[in-house]
Amino acid sequence: GAVVSQHPSWVICKSGTSVKIECRSLDFQATTMFWYRQFPKQSLMLMATSNEGSKATYEQGVEKDKFLINHASLTLSTLTVTSAHPEDSSFYICSASLTRDRGRYIQYFGAGTRLSVL
Amino acid sequence: DAKTTQPPSMDCAEGRAANLPCNHSTISGNEYVYWYRQIHSQGPQYIIHGLKNNETNEMASLIITEDRKSSTLILPHATLRDTAVYYCIVRVAYSYTGGGNKLTFGTGTQLKVEL
Repeated sequence: GAVVSQHPSWVICKSGTSVKIECRSLDFQATTMFWYRQFPKQSLMLMATSNEGSKATYEQGVEKDKFLINHASLTLSTLTVTSAHPEDSSFYICSASLTRDRGRYIQYFGAGTRLSVL
Repeated sequence: DAKTTQPPSMDCAEGRAANLPCNHSTISGNEYVYWYRQIHSQGPQYIIHGLKNNETNEMASLIITEDRKSSTLILPHATLRDTAVYYCIVRVAYSYTGGGNKLTFGTGTQLKVEL
């Protein structure tokens, strides 16, 4: 199966600093990647759709200037949490899609990044 | 995408079959049923998907009713490592606009496999 790598897996930072999370599709190219956020005991919530070579599409209520997304290549998307605050502490997960044909659309997920802002 | 309804939790004895139900009474003709699972503190893992025929792979079987309004994911011999939250998602197979391929996760079913 396709592999999506996410780095780092865990990060602790001070309030006010910025944190970058990388998402890589290791053995396939992904024109579209997705970023999710998950708070404890809750389900995954889509934050944004990352499109290679163009601007990301953000879900309603997600601040574009706070969560910067860059999808500069077909195998790499990055999420930067700018000026992080304790309320941004969460589990961030990326995914990328592999489509062999129209009936086999599958999203593969990274292992997630746990962000703790002190 | 059609809405799904799943029981919040289920228990299963190790070695027995785990049958996880999902209701999707408003499913459209071009929508597939996808199953993912999320083991604690990990990213979701794809399990299986189908349109109307029953499907089987190395992980599980998917049984879809003839009217397609419900389905059941079957883990034939559950192990402790199958303890996870299982998500049933209904959506079209593929959208030619990238954002159309996003997945909407509900609350899922917490499956606990016990000795």
